[in-house]
Amino acid sequence: QKEVEQNSGPLSVPEGAIASLNCTYSDRGSQSFFWYRQYSGKSPELIMFIYSNGDKEDGRFTAQLNKASQYVSLLIRDSQPSDSATYLCAVHLYNFNKFYFGSGTKLNVKP
Amino acid sequence: GAVVSQHPSWVICKSGTSVKIECRSLDFQATTMFWYRQFPKQSLMLMATSNEGSKATYEQGVEKDKFLINHASLTLSTLTVTSAHPEDSSFYICSARGSNGYNEQFFGPGTRLTVL
Repeated sequence: QKEVEQNSGPLSVPEGAIASLNCTYSDRGSQSFFWYRQYSGKSPELIMFIYSNGDKEDGRFTAQLNKASQYVSLLIRDSQPSDSATYLCAVHLYNFNKFYFGSGTKLNVKP
Repeated sequence: GAVVSQHPSWVICKSGTSVKIECRSLDFQATTMFWYRQFPKQSLMLMATSNEGSKATYEQGVEKDKFLINHASLTLSTLTVTSAHPEDSSFYICSARGSNGYNEQFFGPGTRLTVL
């Protein structure tokens, strides 16, 4: 079982819609959760992180964390074609100082 | 803030040569840096964790004698691919862990290595 699971996609949404990206993790010791965006041929860039159960909003992005279900998601409101990229979910296990990345979900926002 | 640079951004070399890649945290001190490799259309693969002043911790399956990592200062880590072969051609990305306690990683722009 992988530490972090993501649907590879592609997820296609029309411009202006809400894109919902999901991620599950296996280790209940996971303490920090991150979403990165990676454009083709580029390195990942941090979008946001979340530590506590619930929602965290930053502009058009909302991260949601449910530790009981071991589930973290990213919502992108008013999706734009420029949001088309691969979105990586990552978790950090503090006790082992280990980061685990999911394989990423490819998002296509159609004009 | 939290800018990480890598040099070179791309390199082409002959089989059998060694290539050094530098990773620098420009505006913060990074006690921990990470080296990843990414093949086309595949996910990031962690190669090793580099801690300043100590030996790197390599992931299973990564040859420590082939991928030499040095983290000599709080702002610089280097990865040397020794005796490179065409199968080592990949996108090498470093990251540095932030120093503000949130544990997020900031990635460098990556180095594309092509071994002929």
